[in-house]
Amino acid sequence: GAVVSQHPSRVICKSGTSVKIECRSLDFQATTMFWYRQFPKQSLMLMATSNEGSKATYEQGVEKDKFLINHASLTLSTLTVTSAHPEDSSFYICSAIKLDTQYFGPGTRLTVL
Amino acid sequence: KQEVTQIPAALSVPEGENLVLNCSFTDSAIYNLQWFRQDPGKGLTSLLLIQSSQREQTSGRLNASLDKSSGRSTLYIAASQPGDSATYLCAVIDNYGQNFVFGPGTRLSVLP
Repeated sequence: GAVVSQHPSRVICKSGTSVKIECRSLDFQATTMFWYRQFPKQSLMLMATSNEGSKATYEQGVEKDKFLINHASLTLSTLTVTSAHPEDSSFYICSAIKLDTQYFGPGTRLTVL
Repeated sequence: KQEVTQIPAALSVPEGENLVLNCSFTDSAIYNLQWFRQDPGKGLTSLLLIQSSQREQTSGRLNASLDKSSGRSTLYIAASQPGDSATYLCAVIDNYGQNFVFGPGTRLSVLP
């Protein structure tokens, strides 16, 4: 198997602040990582595809200026929620591909007060 | 610790057949169960979401059922098409909404 970690696992912040979530592939290199979001009682939805060394590809309806993605190395992608608001409160999960299999991080619970 | 398994690991069927994919989970205290489709190199596409209080959900040719007490879910695909070829994953999230556990997936090939 493969291991993907996320940090932090839980974050509570005030409205208007920015929050950075890290996603790391611990034992493999990943040129492609994915970021997902799940609102309460809704399905997990793909937000964006993070490509190492190039711009992320965002799904329709996801604001790229709101959710900044940086995939600066083959083992790290970061998602920054800028000027977070209560409606951004959600569960964020990343995944990384190794040999056509997606490996998921444990998720980050973001609560914006 | 929640564990999710899927059977079969791979399935190959001729076009037009109806088929069933199985998902089992060890801890019945789940918040919801979701079925996803994964195409090679792509992110997951959400197919169906079943809340813990529901027994099934339908979307087009897809029907997913949930039996919490037995820790099972099935995804029924009617009149399969070559475009249905993909890996199908089920995932459960626990009652605290904290732990998201994915199954290993079933790789489906629908032959024309």
